Parts: sequence; structure tokens; C-alpha cells
Amino acid sequence: AQSVAQPEDQVNVAEGNPLTVKCTYSVSGNPYLFWYVQYPNRGLQFLLKYITGDNLVKGSYGFEAEFNKSQTSFHLKKPSALVSDSALYFCAVRDLRGNNRLAFGKGNQVVVIP
Amino acid sequence: DTGVSQDPRHKITKRGQNVTFRCDPISEHNRLYWYRQTLGQGPEFLTYFQNEAQLEKSRLLSDRFSAERPKGSFSTLEIQRTEQGDSAMYLCASSLGGGIQETQYFGPGTRLLVL
Repeated sequence: AQSVAQPEDQVNVAEGNPLTVKCTYSVSGNPYLFWYVQYPNRGLQFLLKYITGDNLVKGSYGFEAEFNKSQTSFHLKKPSALVSDSALYFCAVRDLRGNNRLAFGKGNQVVVIP
Repeated sequence: DTGVSQDPRHKITKRGQNVTFRCDPISEHNRLYWYRQTLGQGPEFLTYFQNEAQLEKSRLLSDRFSAERPKGSFSTLEIQRTEQGDSAMYLCASSLGGGIQETQYFGPGTRLLVL
């Protein structure tokens, strides 16, 4: 079964510093990977996805993610964090059996300190 | 704003009551998904529709749960005889196509509290 792991519960970063949120995956076949962000009492907002092609994927709000096949990782990055980036971030992998369901990690709480 | 809407946003009910949630997907999106998210966890797949056909149901979806998408547009999720363990955020997502480039867009969710 396809799965992702987000090893850290919370990531604290000072405003203006680089932000990294880690994700590793386990798949049989080609990985189709996604990042979503969730603000309090809100649904998930799509940030970016890796399907094929360039290992560095650019997404919304200045976020990017680097796909690394040898390390089975898909870490989310932002060069300079904003206080407004404080939220819950989810990594997800798509099931390949035709239903395209997403399997999510448990999420990482990001706290950007002013 | 992703364009997926859900109603109600919050629901408090007593154990044993029935509840129904509605999801309106982005216009012309042919796929519609339901997920459940409990505190401290990522969303878990419940079921999905391609147009009006319900194609798969997770084992999480007990017999007390039923979902419909009668005309291939909006969908409803009904929980009968609610239990305290049903307390969660219920998320709806829609997408276009189903191919490898498919992206699911989520609604704001319905937060259910069963007392």
C-alpha cells in the first residue's frame, strides 16, 4: 500500500528563516506526491504536486518541494518563512489502483515565530 | 477559495441521532471524494464517486454510513444512529478527470460532534 511519513510533529522557525517540512514515502511503482496546507477550522488547500519531470516542484505562496528518489523523500521548503505560514501541513501520496484516493501523513504543525 | 462548498460547517448532535452533510463540488468536476479527519491525524478516505456512480467504499464506512450523488453534481453523506466515535471533521474533495495529473480540491469541511 502507498504511504507517507511525516516524522516531526511540530516545526518551529523564526520569521525570515528557511522553512523545511519533511516527508518520506513508500510506494510500489511511480510516486505521485502532494502537499496540502490546513489553517484552523478550514479545509485543505492544495500547494503543489509531483507527478513526473523536474525534481524541484514550485507551488503556491512561494513554496517548493524537492523530490528525491534515492532517499524516497519529498520535503516541502520555503526560503523565507512568514508568520502567516503557521498552519498544519500534510504530505500525501496517490493510490495507483484507479480510484486516485490520497493517503495522508499525520501532518506537521508549523509555527513561525515573529 | 477552492470552490468546493460544504454544509453545515458545524453539527452537534446527540448519540443515536441521524445526521446528513452536503457537498457541492467545483462545477463540472466529475469525481467527488469523502474523507474523515480525526484530531491529530491526516484525512482518511471514505468513498468516492465518478459522476453519479459510487465506485469504492473504505472499510471505515460502516453500514451506518451512506453516501449519494444522485445527479452527478452535489453529494450527501448520511450517518445513522450516530456514535461518539463518529465525532470528526468530514471533508469533501472534487477533481476533474481521474488521470495522473488529477488534483483534488477540498471544501472547508463539516465538523461533527456527537454528545
